[in-house]
Amino acid sequence: AQKVTQAQTEISVVEKEDVTLDCVYETRDTTYYLFWYKQPPSGELVFLIRRNSFDEQNEISGRYSWNFQKSTSSFNFTITASQVVDSAVYFCALSEANFGNEKLTFGTGTRLTIIP
Amino acid sequence: NAGVTQTPKFRVLKTGQSMTLLCAQDMNHEYMYWYRQDPGMGLRLIHYSVGEGTTAKGEVPDGYNVSRLKKQNFLLGLESAAPSQTSVYFCASSYQRIGSNTGELFFGEGSRLTVL
Repeated sequence: AQKVTQAQTEISVVEKEDVTLDCVYETRDTTYYLFWYKQPPSGELVFLIRRNSFDEQNEISGRYSWNFQKSTSSFNFTITASQVVDSAVYFCALSEANFGNEKLTFGTGTRLTIIP
Repeated sequence: NAGVTQTPKFRVLKTGQSMTLLCAQDMNHEYMYWYRQDPGMGLRLIHYSVGEGTTAKGEVPDGYNVSRLKKQNFLLGLESAAPSQTSVYFCASSYQRIGSNTGELFFGEGSRLTVL
């Protein structure tokens, strides 16, 4: 069974601080995909990144970076020099690659508030 | 560029009433999904479709029915609404399987349903 745990329910940081959102996953498959989605106050879900289980390279996109570690089953997300526009709920998600499984399992989300 | 459109955006129902949520996508995607989002529970898959004329149960299908008569539309029906179905419903679509190297969900803006 696939499971995603986001232990941090809410985080508040002052603008320009760095912040890391934790994501721990469980899966029995050797091939799987990990995702991060952002849900701003307007409510829509915005895709941020997809990572497959064979690619453990960390990724950086502007102020965003992701640290994938299979040894600890974690896929953490760091925002550097946070801005007020980063305030949102962030979801980590997992999909197993086995044929017939169409489920994207979401964590419960982390609400990030950036204080001006 | 419409993407994924959900109607209605808001609806209030009385217990026992029926209604249908419509999801339309203009990206020629094969895969379509209905999720519900509840506080503290992330998003959970209700039903999905892997192509026109197909439907399948997700994680929490009870009390819902779906139909995919046209490739671009995916309807979610509540035959006899219950207060437990008060939630925000999200439709999503994908060109490829979510468990593939190019799978990515595109979400609608959500539909907020309240059952009294």
